[in-house]
Amino acid sequence: DTAVSQTPKYLVTQMGNDKSIKCEQNLGHDTMYWYKQDSKKFLKIMFSYNNKELIINETVPNRFSPKSPDKAHLNLHINSLELGDSAVYFCASSQESGFQGSPLHFGNGTRLTVT
Amino acid sequence: AQSVAQPEDQVNVAEGNPLTVKCTYSVSGNPYLFWYVQYPNRGLQFLLKYITGDNLVKGSYGFEAEFNKSQTSFHLKKPSALVSDSALYFCAVREKPGGYQKVTFGTGTKLQVIP
Repeated sequence: DTAVSQTPKYLVTQMGNDKSIKCEQNLGHDTMYWYKQDSKKFLKIMFSYNNKELIINETVPNRFSPKSPDKAHLNLHINSLELGDSAVYFCASSQESGFQGSPLHFGNGTRLTVT
Repeated sequence: AQSVAQPEDQVNVAEGNPLTVKCTYSVSGNPYLFWYVQYPNRGLQFLLKYITGDNLVKGSYGFEAEFNKSQTSFHLKKPSALVSDSALYFCAVREKPGGYQKVTFGTGTKLQVIP
């Protein structure tokens, strides 16, 4: 009964390849996020979707494209992978509508290694 | 723009002693403040939050935090540290651009509890 689940847990690939990471939440939340954690453990938001609508799009290369088929799913597709994309990517969710100060619920992350 | 500072990269404390992990913030309006904990190879877990009301907030696993508006601080505390508290702790602040939340995380503080 995992609340926020990501697949795969580990992803090792070569430069130039295209890869996807999937995320699903069963909490009934209306908002989902992608965060990137670098090697120094610094966390930075990449994207946020509310009810399938993109609401936050930080300065992220166009090679990164999120897709939300429904409010329980948020996938991340990365084209032409580069060495600098190596990081841990976290999916998260929260309930925004009608709820102040909703905390984020995180998945366990996808460790992406680009060689 | 909002920001969060965690001035200590690492805090060492002996088991049984009180612990404090420091956090200061900067926002233009009233802050929503959070503490999260990250264990190795896991996602962040919500510990506690301050939205409004009492300045002393109690959270999970015996942790508490004190909101101090004049010092713009939100330090995390625990009266008696456990070895199992050893982890990475993140302070976070939230604002709502365009009606939707954007959470900014601090750089994290590694807590080491020494047996």
